[in-house]
Amino acid sequence: QVQLVQSGAEVKKPGSSVKVSCKASGGTFNTYDISWVRQAPGQGLEWMGGIIPIFGTTNYAQKFQGRVTITADESTSTAYMELSSLRSEDTAVYYCAKVVADGFAFWGQGALVTVSS
Amino acid sequence: QSALTQAASVSGSPGQSITISCTASSSDVGSFNVVSWYQHHPGKAPKLVIYEVIKRPSGVSNRFSGSKSGNTASLTISGLQAEDEADYYCCSYVGSRTSYVFGTGTKVTVL
Repeated sequence: QVQLVQSGAEVKKPGSSVKVSCKASGGTFNTYDISWVRQAPGQGLEWMGGIIPIFGTTNYAQKFQGRVTITADESTSTAYMELSSLRSEDTAVYYCAKVVADGFAFWGQGALVTVSS
Repeated sequence: QSALTQAASVSGSPGQSITISCTASSSDVGSFNVVSWYQHHPGKAPKLVIYEVIKRPSGVSNRFSGSKSGNTASLTISGLQAEDEADYYCCSYVGSRTSYVFGTGTKVTVL
């Protein structure tokens, strides 16, 4: 069974960067299609971007282009999402999810990122 | 602004059926043929309940069903139960550039 375990909560200053990890178990990691989704307080779900390690391809939502970088380390079966130039509006719970048939079938537990001075 | 619009809230009594709609308001959503639905309880990770418009993942109750007509996709929950009270989001694959967009979300209340 697929399991995604994310890194813990972080508190960051405005203007800094945060890197959230997502360690996968079950299945063949490099064939995964991993997306990152966030939810700000009181807001809905928002797709940020994704990666397919076996193809080495990434895709980002236009809103986050230039600020988000998604990578994957096949040796540790871990995906990463780095968001830079943080502002208060980036305070959110960040989830990784494994895509199956264009549905987000498996989810990490979420990582709260708080941006505050 | 999301290209997928949902009603903010829907309510029903235990045992009733409710339907949540998801309307594509922009041509950016493409053919709107790949729609999924998620149940989200506060403080927990979202859960996939419908994918590819009508398919139900293994382990999801058959009380959940999906459909689509034109530019509107729908999620129906039959035999409403207390544990169905949650937020529900539709999501569509929109193409190779943006890839996915979520709906605005619907809060389901069981009266």
